[in-house]
Amino acid sequence: NAGVTQTPKFRVLKTGQSMTLLCAQDMNHEYMYWYRQDPGMGLRLIHYSVGEGTTAKGEVPDGYNVSRLKKQNFLLGLESAAPSQTSVYFCASSSADRVNQPQHFGDGTRLSIL
Amino acid sequence: AQSVTQLDSHVSVSEGTPVLLRCNYSSSYSPSLFWYVQHPNKGLQLLLKYTSAATLVKGINGFEAEFKKSETSFHLTKPSAHMSDAAEYFCVVSGWNTGFQKLVFGTGTRLLVSP
Repeated sequence: NAGVTQTPKFRVLKTGQSMTLLCAQDMNHEYMYWYRQDPGMGLRLIHYSVGEGTTAKGEVPDGYNVSRLKKQNFLLGLESAAPSQTSVYFCASSSADRVNQPQHFGDGTRLSIL
Repeated sequence: AQSVTQLDSHVSVSEGTPVLLRCNYSSSYSPSLFWYVQHPNKGLQLLLKYTSAATLVKGINGFEAEFKKSETSFHLTKPSAHMSDAAEYFCVVSGWNTGFQKLVFGTGTRLLVSP
């Protein structure tokens, strides 16, 4: 019963490098989300997807791109990493477009940009 | 607009004593509210949710929360703390924002449990 799986779990990058974070869910959820968590700020939404082939911007999208080519996968890309993108990144998914449905979270990717 | 305020950044209790984590919310309509727990280096796990049914909501691991509309509060409680409860707790209000579910997170309360 994997739920939401994120890879990698840890990564260190140099400024200007690029990378892709992978999120996979096995619950057949339509909705998927990428958040970043910074100390004292809770979680902030970067991008989200309401279904295969669709993506949209959240609250803090600058510097990130996403793709949802398959329903179970949601990729987050950093084209040119900056130190301000040092954070913990969480992927989440949910089953329905209703406010009373909880989102299910992965264990996070801890990313450091030097 | 919706917002959440967690009134304590840190709460310290002794094992076996009650736990109270405070959360106030603001919402222009009847809210859906969640409590999540985050253990070190882990993701967020759902503890319980309020969705306008019973005002006293029971969750996992002996936690419960009471929705009080008059006080706009959704405090989390547990009668007796266990060492394994040490973690960070997030109060979350859920809304709808032009096509997607928008979760607004509180800044978190770190629960410390001493033997």
